[in-house]
Amino acid sequence: AQSVAQPEDQVNVAEGNPLTVKCTYSVSGNPYLFWYVQYPNRGLQFLLKYITGDNLVKGSYGFEAEFNKSQTSFHLKKPSALVSDSALYFCAVRRGGYSTLTFGKGTMLLVSP
Amino acid sequence: EAGVAQSPRYKIIEKRQSVAFWCNPISGHATLYWYQQILGQGPKLLIQFQNNGVVDDSQLPKDRFSAERLKGVDSTLKIQPAKLEDSAVYLCASSLGTAVSSYNEQFFGPGTRLTVL
Repeated sequence: AQSVAQPEDQVNVAEGNPLTVKCTYSVSGNPYLFWYVQYPNRGLQFLLKYITGDNLVKGSYGFEAEFNKSQTSFHLKKPSALVSDSALYFCAVRRGGYSTLTFGKGTMLLVSP
Repeated sequence: EAGVAQSPRYKIIEKRQSVAFWCNPISGHATLYWYQQILGQGPKLLIQFQNNGVVDDSQLPKDRFSAERLKGVDSTLKIQPAKLEDSAVYLCASSLGTAVSSYNEQFFGPGTRLTVL
């Protein structure tokens, strides 16, 4: 069975500082990894994905994520946080071929002015 | 490009009543998903359609939940009868490609928040 762990319920960071939201996964075979963001009363929005190739993936709104196969991690990063980045972030995994997309429980990011 | 549309946005019902949710995916998206998101948890897949056929409904409580996607476009999800534990946000998503195109990202609608009293 595949699973995703987001070990932090909440991450607090000051505006302008770098941010990291952690994600580790478990899946058989090669993983397809995704990050989504959810703003209040809105659906999830796609940020970025890792399928194959370069371990550093760049996505929307200046976010990036680093795939580390040995540590089975896919941490979300941004060099300089904005107050508007405050939202709920979900990591998700599925394997190649057909499988369901499995989400983590989410991490709330709070960026203070 | 129009996004995934869902209605209603909010619904309050009493237990044992029935309720239905509607979803209109992004035009041209063959794959449609229904997720249940309970407060404090990530979305959980209930059912996945490829055009108008069911690909995966292994986590759908079939004694009370049903879904259909007639003509391979719009979809409805029904709960009958509802239980207290069905209180959640129901998200519809769509994606390009086939069910085995696992690399395609999913596009989500705003969701329907269901409260069962």
